[in-house]
Amino acid sequence: NAGVTQTPKFQVLKTGQSMTLQCAQDMNHEYMSWYRQDPGMGLRLIHYSVGAGITDQGEVPNGYNVSRSTTEDFPLRLLSAAPSQTSVYFCASSDRDKNIQYFGAGTRLSVL
Amino acid sequence: EDKVVQSPLSLVVHEGDTVTLNCSYEVTNFRSLLWYKQEKKAPTFLFMLTSSGIEKKSGRLSSILDKKELFSILNITATQTGDSAVYLCAPDSNYQLIWGAGTKLIIKP
Repeated sequence: NAGVTQTPKFQVLKTGQSMTLQCAQDMNHEYMSWYRQDPGMGLRLIHYSVGAGITDQGEVPNGYNVSRSTTEDFPLRLLSAAPSQTSVYFCASSDRDKNIQYFGAGTRLSVL
Repeated sequence: EDKVVQSPLSLVVHEGDTVTLNCSYEVTNFRSLLWYKQEKKAPTFLFMLTSSGIEKKSGRLSSILDKKELFSILNITATQTGDSAVYLCAPDSNYQLIWGAGTKLIIKP
């Protein structure tokens, strides 16, 4: 059972480059979320989705875009990478009832 | 504004000791409170609590929620080196998890 799959695991970008972090889940969960985690700080919500075709902003959405064309996939796009976006990114999914979030393995991103 | 405070921020104990981790919260539209364990990777789910006074147990770990005083505790008895991790609490406020900064627990052999 794959659960939540994130790719890539590691990525190095130069300032100004764009890229997409992939996230897929096979649990038929309605809810999906993207978080970033920085040293000494808790998880901060970037964007989330309550179902296919529906997305909304979280606490720190600037510089990121998302889309949800299918239940399974929730990619996160960095439009023009900045050093402040150096972080570990986690994707999570949950069902609507209990909202127990299950996490992908994370993507460690460095922006030089 | 929703707020979650975990204490202590870090804790170092010896194997076999018992530890208590604290989580106080102020959130609107409270639904439940979740505890997660994070080692050097993604957070993994431990407990979900929805009602006051109900103690959840899983082996050496247990947790209680007090909805009147707005806090939860996580107890770990007979600690082992494998319990070393960051423990995160997250109340669910209207289907959004509000994350605390975590307690870093180090178990010395």
